[in-house]
Amino acid sequence: AQSVAQPEDQVNVAEGNPLTVKCTYSVSGNPYLFWYVQYPNRGLQFLLKYITGDNLVKGSYGFEAEFNKSQTSFHLKKPSALVSDSALYFCAVRDDNYGQNFVFGPGTRLSVLP
Amino acid sequence: GAGVSQSPSNKVTEKGKDVELRCDPISGHTALYWYRQRLGQGLEFLIYFQGNSAPDKSGLPSDRFSAERTGESVSTLTIQRTQQEDSAVYLCASILGTVLDTTQYFGPGTRLTVL
Repeated sequence: AQSVAQPEDQVNVAEGNPLTVKCTYSVSGNPYLFWYVQYPNRGLQFLLKYITGDNLVKGSYGFEAEFNKSQTSFHLKKPSALVSDSALYFCAVRDDNYGQNFVFGPGTRLSVLP
Repeated sequence: GAGVSQSPSNKVTEKGKDVELRCDPISGHTALYWYRQRLGQGLEFLIYFQGNSAPDKSGLPSDRFSAERTGESVSTLTIQRTQQEDSAVYLCASILGTVLDTTQYFGPGTRLTVL
């Protein structure tokens, strides 16, 4: 069965500094990987995904993520953080051996300090 | 509207009452998911519909929970005899369902409070 880990409950970064939110996964087949962001009292918004192709994926709001098969990771990154990036970030995986079932990580709360 | 919509946005009910939550997916999306998100926690899968196939109900926490979807349209999640532990935000998501587009698009959620 597939699983997702987000090892950090909370990430704090100063505005203008680079940020990384970590995600590792476990699947038996090929992974489809996703990042979502959730702002307070809002639903989840799609940021980016990896299905196949280039390991570096670029998404909304200047975010990017790198698929690393050997490390089974899909860390979310941004070169220069904004205060408005402060939110809850979820990594999700779909294992192509398990149809359309998605598994979400527990979430990482990002705080960007001015 | 082009997005997933859910109603009501907020629901306050008394313990023991039944509630019905509604999700309108994006038109043409074949797959629909329900999730539960308790305060400060991640998403808990409840149920998944794909076209006219039998739904995957493996995430429903008890027989008080049920969901229906007619074809590729509206879905309703029903919770009978609500309990305080049912208090959460209930999120719905839909997917186009093709091989090339497997992105989930989420609605704003329904915040359920059971008193």
